[in-house]
Amino acid sequence: AQTVTQSQPEMSVQEAETVTLSCTYDTSENNYYLFWYKQPPSRQMILVIRQEAYKQQNATENRFSVNFQKAAKSFSLKISDSQLGDTAMYFCALGGSNYKLTFGKGTLLTVNP
Amino acid sequence: DTAVSQTPKYLVTQMGNDKSIKCEQNLGHDTMYWYKQDSKKFLKIMFSYNNKELIINETVPNRFSPKSPDKAHLNLHINSLELGDSAVYFCASSARLAGDGTDTQYFGPGTRLTVL
Repeated sequence: AQTVTQSQPEMSVQEAETVTLSCTYDTSENNYYLFWYKQPPSRQMILVIRQEAYKQQNATENRFSVNFQKAAKSFSLKISDSQLGDTAMYFCALGGSNYKLTFGKGTLLTVNP
Repeated sequence: DTAVSQTPKYLVTQMGNDKSIKCEQNLGHDTMYWYKQDSKKFLKIMFSYNNKELIINETVPNRFSPKSPDKAHLNLHINSLELGDSAVYFCASSARLAGDGTDTQYFGPGTRLTVL
């Protein structure tokens, strides 16, 4: 069975600062993908970033980057230069050969002005 | 030019009624999904179809029945609605499976179902 754990139910950060959201996972598969999705108050699920497990290089998307530690099964998201629009629920998700995403319980991030 | 759309966005109904939620994607994807997000925001897979064939059927009450008339549409029909069915239901789609089911999933806007 696959599991995803997000140990920080809530976090806050000041605008323009950097924040890191934690995620750990467990899977018996060798080939899998990891994702971070963002859900703002509008409810829409928005893909933030994805990481292929076979790639050693950490994925980056503009202000968003991940720290993927495969041996430790850790996949944290770093948001640089935080903006008010980054306020949202962030979900870590794991995809494998069983054709479904397993989600963590989410971290509610608040960016303060 | 919405990629994954759902109708309706909000649905309020009485216990015992039957209702449907429709989903359409214009991304040319072969695989579609239904997820349920409960009041604590936890997301869980319910069903998945690949080219109109059911490939995932999690432990969901049989009052829930997905229907895929073609690979661009996946509808969810719910019979005899109960209070516990109140949730947000998300449709998603992904590209043709490469054999390991790891393609990125794109989500619709969600349907908030409230059962009174």
